[in-house]
Amino acid sequence: KNQVEQSPQSLIILEGKNCTLQCNYTVSPFSNLRWYKQDTGRGPVSLTIMTFSENTKSNGRYTATLDADTKQSSLHITASQLSDSASYICVVSAGSGTYKYIFGTGTRLKVLA
Amino acid sequence: DTGVSQNPRHKITKRGQNVTFRCDPISEHNRLYWYRQTLGQGPEFLTYFQNEAQLEKSRLLSDRFSAERPKGSFSTLEIQRTEQGDSAMYLCASSLASAGSGGTFLAYNEQFFGPGTRLTVL
Repeated sequence: KNQVEQSPQSLIILEGKNCTLQCNYTVSPFSNLRWYKQDTGRGPVSLTIMTFSENTKSNGRYTATLDADTKQSSLHITASQLSDSASYICVVSAGSGTYKYIFGTGTRLKVLA
Repeated sequence: DTGVSQNPRHKITKRGQNVTFRCDPISEHNRLYWYRQTLGQGPEFLTYFQNEAQLEKSRLLSDRFSAERPKGSFSTLEIQRTEQGDSAMYLCASSLASAGSGGTFLAYNEQFFGPGTRLTVL
């Protein structure tokens, strides 16, 4: 069964600190992996996308890694800001050019001043 | 604003009433998706359209749910005889599915999400 699991479920950190969110997936055949940020009451917004051959990708203070062998991904947030408080959702696409998104349940991040 | 828009943003209704939500995708996008998201969970796929054709429906989409995209542009999602379990955020997304040549093939099928419609059934 295609699944995406994320950890931790929730996380509280102080402003300025770094954090790392984890995503494990069992999706076959793997096409690509995305990280989305979802503010409360809003739709998800894409942060990064990685294909099978990519190991790391950065978007400002966000850096995603992908290990296709172990089927793990991480999202590292550097120098956190209050505006980083949101849910971060890992999404895996199966197959090539498929519309099928398989969502994780997300990690809820709270950044405190 | 050229992003995906959804209306209304919030809807409160009594159990048993019918509700209809609208989604306007990014104008050149040929695919449109509906998702449902409950608190603390990731979005769950409901259905998707390519142009005006509804190509797949999830088992979550009971016979009380119907979605249309009559002209291949905006879409509506109707829920009849609402139940309290229908309370959720309903998200719409759109994407452009097209093939380039060689290395430019748009395999990513990036979905852009709207802000969602929050439904509360009392």
